Amino acid sequence: EAQVTQNPRYLITVTGKKLTVTCSQNMNHEYMSWYRQDPGLGLRQIYYSMNVEVTDKGDVPEGYKVSRKEKRNFPLILESPSPNQTSLYFCASSRLAGTNEQFFGPGTRLTVL
Amino acid sequence: SQQGEEDPQALSIQEGENATMNCSYKTSINNLQWYRQNSGRGLVHLILIRSNEREKHSGRLRVTLDTSKKSSSLLITASRAADTASYFCATEQDSGSRLTFGEGTQLTVNP
Repeated sequence: EAQVTQNPRYLITVTGKKLTVTCSQNMNHEYMSWYRQDPGLGLRQIYYSMNVEVTDKGDVPEGYKVSRKEKRNFPLILESPSPNQTSLYFCASSRLAGTNEQFFGPGTRLTVL
Repeated sequence: SQQGEEDPQALSIQEGENATMNCSYKTSINNLQWYRQNSGRGLVHLILIRSNEREKHSGRLRVTLDTSKKSSSLLITASRAADTASYFCATEQDSGSRLTFGEGTQLTVNP
């Protein structure tokens, strides 16, 4: 089944404790992206990747890192999480950037205490 | 404010009625997409309309695009309780590398 998977789905952590949220897609998509969703703010893009080893900042990249060493994986790294990073995070992929529908993962609900 | 802004923020209708949601944007776009999100879940792509198209249909969905007014509308006909969800518009700007999402319209269809 074609899908985007994220792990973990739920995570409660404490300020400053490094964490990684994994994202994987099995559709051989070139484009992958991370979003965060907050009430009243909609979805905001954190980082995106046009292809392997190509990443770029979105609208709200501060406090996050990403890597794209393989086509299928696009992990989101929070080196030193803070409470303002408490949010619902979505990974998405599409065949190419631009005029393509994006496929979304199920979401990761992160709480930073 | 965000590139795509949906209106209204919330809409409550009875089953069988039509639901219309609007999206306005600020800069030139290559295409505009509509997505649906059930509570707390990932977004699902509904329909894409290109900047040179004015109207598009998919099942009970009808999307219009007016580039002169920088606006789009999503019409869901004969709504069902299962249509209850949040609906987002997303615009791809000229650069073609990113989608920018609006804040969404929360649609409630009462049985």
